[in-house]
Amino acid sequence: DTAVSQTPKYLVTQMGNDKSIKCEQNLGHDTMYWYKQDSKKFLKIMFSYNNKELIINETVPNRFSPKSPDKAHLNLHINSLELGDSAVYFCASSQGSKGWTEAFFGQGTRLTVV
Amino acid sequence: SQQGEEDPQALSIQEGENATMNCSYKTSINNLQWYRQNSGRGLVHLILIRSNEREKHSGRLRVTLDTSKKSSSLLITASRAADTASYFCATDHGLFWKKIANFGNEKLTFGTGTRLTIIP
Repeated sequence: DTAVSQTPKYLVTQMGNDKSIKCEQNLGHDTMYWYKQDSKKFLKIMFSYNNKELIINETVPNRFSPKSPDKAHLNLHINSLELGDSAVYFCASSQGSKGWTEAFFGQGTRLTVV
Repeated sequence: SQQGEEDPQALSIQEGENATMNCSYKTSINNLQWYRQNSGRGLVHLILIRSNEREKHSGRLRVTLDTSKKSSSLLITASRAADTASYFCATDHGLFWKKIANFGNEKLTFGTGTRLTIIP
């Protein structure tokens, strides 16, 4: 059973398009995240949600809009895609209410904007 | 924003040897975690050490934490080919003292990673 699953795994799209990445976790965690990993493997947090409430928005352009319909899902919608958005996007979850626990990551979505 | 730095950036060793990676960070932490990332895959949690701990073991992994130096090290003993991966440290600075009690991990900050290659 996949703990944190993201779809799609690969996404190739043209500049200016709008796309969504979906994430679901079956671990019963109350906290979910989106991270962006650039070509140099640097991982940077984008958003953090706890119980569907936005906790962290790390100065991400407002073209990126996360949506958490319930605790098990955190989707990422990107408007007007730009070349610089090309990266691998990781969804993760943890049990934030327990404090200081490990994060479980999805397999990543490789987004290529052409 | 806070960012850890791993050292070295890349490390190649013979199978069976020990591998040591270091991580430095800048501000106080709640905990520090190490993750492994195999090529084209997501990150996998290896070990977590809290700020009041100095050393922790898990199988062939040994992690140390020196909060006075703001540094941590990950030692992998008796390396295997399957250990080939990138290793990241992640620090939790948290908003623990702010509005949400008992809440951590909401902002794991990752280092730049060490690419470890085990030569068979």
